[in-house]
Amino acid sequence: DQQVKQNSPSLSVQEGRISILNCDYTNSMFDYFLWYKKYPAEGPTFLISISSIKDKNEDGRFTVFLNKSAKHLSLHIVPSQPGDSAVYFCAARETSGSRLTFGEGTQLTVNP
Amino acid sequence: DTEVTQTPKHLVMGMTNKKSLKCEQHMGHRAMYWYKQKAKKPPELMFVYSYEKLSINESVPSRFSPECPNSSLLNLHLHALQPEDSALYLCASSLRGNEQFFGPGTRLTVL
Repeated sequence: DQQVKQNSPSLSVQEGRISILNCDYTNSMFDYFLWYKKYPAEGPTFLISISSIKDKNEDGRFTVFLNKSAKHLSLHIVPSQPGDSAVYFCAARETSGSRLTFGEGTQLTVNP
Repeated sequence: DTEVTQTPKHLVMGMTNKKSLKCEQHMGHRAMYWYKQKAKKPPELMFVYSYEKLSINESVPSRFSPECPNSSLLNLHLHALQPEDSALYLCASSLRGNEQFFGPGTRLTVL
C-alpha cells in the first residue's frame, strides 16, 4: 500500500518557467511533509517542509502548498533553472513518529 | 559543522567478506538513520537510532548489523551479503525527527 504517491515520473520545463511537482497521500496521521532533491549518486538534499497546521511555506524560489482536505501537496519552483534538474522526492511523517514515508520521485528536467 | 559524512564513498566486497560503513555528524542530532536506495527508487528505511538506542529495525536481515558507538557516530556492519544487496546506503540524522539530513551515501557492490 503506497501511502505517498507521486504520479508523474517525469516533468520537463523550460528555463525561467514554473515547475510544479505534485504529491498525494492517503494516511490521515501524516502531519509533516518534506521535499527532497536528489542528484545521481548523491544523498537526498532537504529542500523545504510544511507542517499540517499551515497551507503554504515559502523559501526563495521554492514554495510548498498543502491541501489537507484533498490530501495533496505540491512544490512550485519559480523561476526554474537548469541546475534544478534532479529527482524530487516527497516525504511524509506521522504525528510523533520518526519514520519518513517517501514517494517514488519525479525526475525534473529544466531545459535551457 | 552542518553535514553528515559517510565513508567509504564506494565499496566492493565479496559474499564472504566482512566490512563496515561509517557515518558521522556533529550537529548534535539525536536521531540517526540507515537507508538503502536502489536506482530510480525512493530510500528504504532500515534502522533508526534515537539517543543511541535502536528504536526501529525494519525487519532487516541479520547480515546487516547496526551499531551506534556514541551520539555522533553510526556504523553498519556487513557480513555474508548477497549480490542483490548492492545499492546506495544512506545515513541521515535529525534533531527532532522532522527534517532528516542525508549524507552522500556509500555505493556498495557485492560480487
